Amino acid sequence: QVQLQQWGAGLLKPSETLSLTCAVYGGSFSGYYWSWIRQPPGKGLEWIGEINHSGSTNYNPSLKSRVTISVDTSKNQFSLKLSSVTAADTAVYYCAREGNHCSGGSCHSATFDYWGQGTLVTVSS
Amino acid sequence: QSALTQPPSVSGSPGQSVTISCTGTSSDVGSYNRVSWYQQPPGTAPKLMIYEVSNRPSGVPDRFSGSKSGNTASLTISGLQAEDEADYYCSSYTSSSTWVFGGGTKLTVL
Repeated sequence: QVQLQQWGAGLLKPSETLSLTCAVYGGSFSGYYWSWIRQPPGKGLEWIGEINHSGSTNYNPSLKSRVTISVDTSKNQFSLKLSSVTAADTAVYYCAREGNHCSGGSCHSATFDYWGQGTLVTVSS
Repeated sequence: QSALTQPPSVSGSPGQSVTISCTGTSSDVGSYNRVSWYQQPPGTAPKLMIYEVSNRPSGVPDRFSGSKSGNTASLTISGLQAEDEADYYCSSYTSSSTWVFGGGTKLTVL
């Protein structure tokens, strides 16, 4: 059974850098993309970005200038850094696996099938 | 990228059916079958209910079904139960190699 466990600082001051890590237990780490998703209090989900085991990344254009996602395949972990945070970055941050769908001999990322427990990050002076 | 459009709320009585729509564009929902639906009770992480438009993961009741027509995907819940009360979100892959979510729909079981 795949499990994602995440951790990181929960209280930041404006202009600081948010840093979260997600560890993957069970299942394969390679062969998947791994994503970060956030949810401001009382609001909807926002995709932040993704990375695969080779370090290939894609980011949400609205956050791209401040986001770095990295991977440590030796520990089956991936991490998120978001710089210059403001109160607007206050949210529950989730890590998630992008499950694959295979058809006709090819596979692609299709969905977010396993999620971490979420980490509330509050930005306040 | 703009969020997919969902109705803010829907409601139904136990045993009834409800449908939640998710409208995107020809750059996301209209071009890919990588449309998913998630259920999120308060204070919990989202749970995958439907992937690739209409596929159910193991363990999801067959009361949940998905479909797509053009730029709009839909989630239908039949035989509504009290435990179905939650927020529901759709997601889609986009032509920019990114992912986008809907704004969410609150389902109330009357």
